[in-house]
Amino acid sequence: AQSVTQLDSQVPVFEEAPVELRCNYSSSVSVYLFWYVQYPNQGLQLLLKYLSGSTLVKGINGFEAEFNKSQTSFHLRKPSVHISDTAEYFCAVSATLYGGSQGNLIFGKGTKLSVKP
Amino acid sequence: NAGVTQTPKFQVLKTGQSMTLQCAQDMNHNSMYWYRQDPGMGLRLIYYSASEGTTDKGEVPNGYNVSRLNKREFSLRLESAAPSQTSVYFCASTLFYGYTFGSGTRLTVV
Repeated sequence: AQSVTQLDSQVPVFEEAPVELRCNYSSSVSVYLFWYVQYPNQGLQLLLKYLSGSTLVKGINGFEAEFNKSQTSFHLRKPSVHISDTAEYFCAVSATLYGGSQGNLIFGKGTKLSVKP
Repeated sequence: NAGVTQTPKFQVLKTGQSMTLQCAQDMNHNSMYWYRQDPGMGLRLIYYSASEGTTDKGEVPNGYNVSRLNKREFSLRLESAAPSQTSVYFCASTLFYGYTFGSGTRLTVV
């Protein structure tokens, strides 16, 4: 089985500062990794995903994440945040199944990013 | 392209009442899912359907039933609602990697 730990429940940061949202996972098999963003009163939107290949993954809105297999981590980063980045961010993991297909997504508990002027 | 559509968006139920949450996707996705989101708990899987004609329990299935009516539609039924089922419910679908989510149903059971 897989599990995800998001190490910070809330992250306050000033506008134009860099931010890192931390995510660690546990799995006995190979995994796919995802970050989703949820703006207030909306559904979840895919930010980026790691399936294979380069461990540095770039997503939408200037976000990027790095897959570190030895540390079992997939931290999300942005060099300069905007007020509009205020949202809740979810890390998710799925097992890689036979043929490379995706197992069910397991989500972390979320990190609320609050960007202050 | 509507993506994943959930109805209703809001609902208030009395304890013991029943209701069905509807979900439809127009992306020809094979797999569909129902999650619930509670503060500080992230998203927890209730039921999923890997393909038309199949359904399976997720992490928190008690008190719920599902129907995969056809490839497009996947409904979630609460037979006898309880206050513990107050939550935001999300439907999602996927073809290969990553899910597409609906905008959610906010359910309050009083």
